Amino acid sequence: DAGVTQSPTHLIKTRGQHVTLRCSPISGHKSVSWYQQVLGQGPQFIFQYYEKEERGRGNFPDRFSARQFPNYSSELNVNALLLGDSALYLCASSRLMNSENEKLFFGSGTQLSVL
Amino acid sequence: AQSVTQLDSHVSVSEGTPVLLRCNYSSSYSPSLFWYVQHPNKGLQLLLKYTSAATLVKGINGFEAEFKKSETSFHLTKPSAHMSDAAEYFCVVSESYNKLIFGAGTRLAVHP
Repeated sequence: DAGVTQSPTHLIKTRGQHVTLRCSPISGHKSVSWYQQVLGQGPQFIFQYYEKEERGRGNFPDRFSARQFPNYSSELNVNALLLGDSALYLCASSRLMNSENEKLFFGSGTQLSVL
Repeated sequence: AQSVTQLDSHVSVSEGTPVLLRCNYSSSYSPSLFWYVQHPNKGLQLLLKYTSAATLVKGINGFEAEFKKSETSFHLTKPSAHMSDAAEYFCVVSESYNKLIFGAGTRLAVHP
């Protein structure tokens, strides 16, 4: 079975542009979470979606938004890009939203560079 | 609020010697704690997880961690380092079931 897949793997944008990142969860997984990992730091939680609804949001500005589709894939959108948005964006999936025994599976990420 | 502090940003060991990566946590209740590993150009992989069943947790690839409530620590150890262990390691606390709080990471270098 395929793992969590993210596209594109690398992306270069300029300040003020908009970007869309995509994530396909493992088959059968209904929960998708997004994390931002700035160089030299640990990942930071951005969003969690379960059954197409937002279930959690981290401390990020409204320029960040996301959605989940009926097939449980997800998009992360960032508007009005800033230099500080340059980071590795990670997607993680799990079967359920709120089970202590659940394991998160991470994709390899999308490396976004804002110039 | 829950948080984790990784006490070393870089650790360097020789192949075949023990590994110790240190982590302290802050939590108002009994936490769920994890160690994840990140190899270059690869996704984060779960090494082990503590959820109060046992204080000594065994993970994959020979790693283990001990939960010490009195010291608020969750240090990661391995008796003998391999070259393939070179990677970034993250200590993580779970704020909710799918919201993870990551430490800043410890880069482990393994020398021949």
